[in-house]
Amino acid sequence: AQKITQTQPGMFVQEKEAVTLDCTYDTSDQSYGLFWYKQPSSGEMIFLIYQGSYDEQNATEGRYSLNFQKARKSANLVISASQLGDSAMYFCAMREGAGNQFYFGTGTSLTVIP
Amino acid sequence: DVKVTQSSRYLVKRTGEKVFLECVQDMDHENMFWYRQDPGLGLRLIYFSYDVKMKEKGDIPEGYSVSREKKERFSLILESASTNQTSMYLCASSFVGRSTDTQYFGPGTRLTVL
Repeated sequence: AQKITQTQPGMFVQEKEAVTLDCTYDTSDQSYGLFWYKQPSSGEMIFLIYQGSYDEQNATEGRYSLNFQKARKSANLVISASQLGDSAMYFCAMREGAGNQFYFGTGTSLTVIP
Repeated sequence: DVKVTQSSRYLVKRTGEKVFLECVQDMDHENMFWYRQDPGLGLRLIYFSYDVKMKEKGDIPEGYSVSREKKERFSLILESASTNQTSMYLCASSFVGRSTDTQYFGPGTRLTVL
């Protein structure tokens, strides 16, 4: 079974609008971390935001927030007030407990329309 | 500022050649990773290393080997390059054993095998 599932291969959003990128995960560990990364066309992966499994509050970093629903095993990324520079691939990832390995989804390509 | 560097951004090799991709990190991370990224498939783990001279196979190790002689350096080796190894290769590093810690990525190497 896939550890991380991203069901939206591509998304479009109007500039200045908000957009939600979906991510569901599968783990039996109680302790885990969820991460979102942005990959512009240049190729470098940029860390955006982190949510711990024991965190009670949803994580926020500037215009990025993580809608964490533990019972549903979902960790959706919300980007508010989209900008043209937000056009990129977005990857959701998980790290379990004290494990060293990261598990990545297949990514969502976001295009911001002027 | 944290840094992961990769020896080449773009590389063109011929079928059958031996190819070395090098990765260096300056963050004193124990873990280092090599991923392969292909459209629609996300990031797939080739190998990772949690200590000098230690290595673990990832999801797609066939046709690849790795070397970690120093903590800061992790090399990916294609013993005999084939056209189906044309891809984007990403190196990453992280601290060991804490689910809260993100990976840091290098800029990637786009390898073309002719």
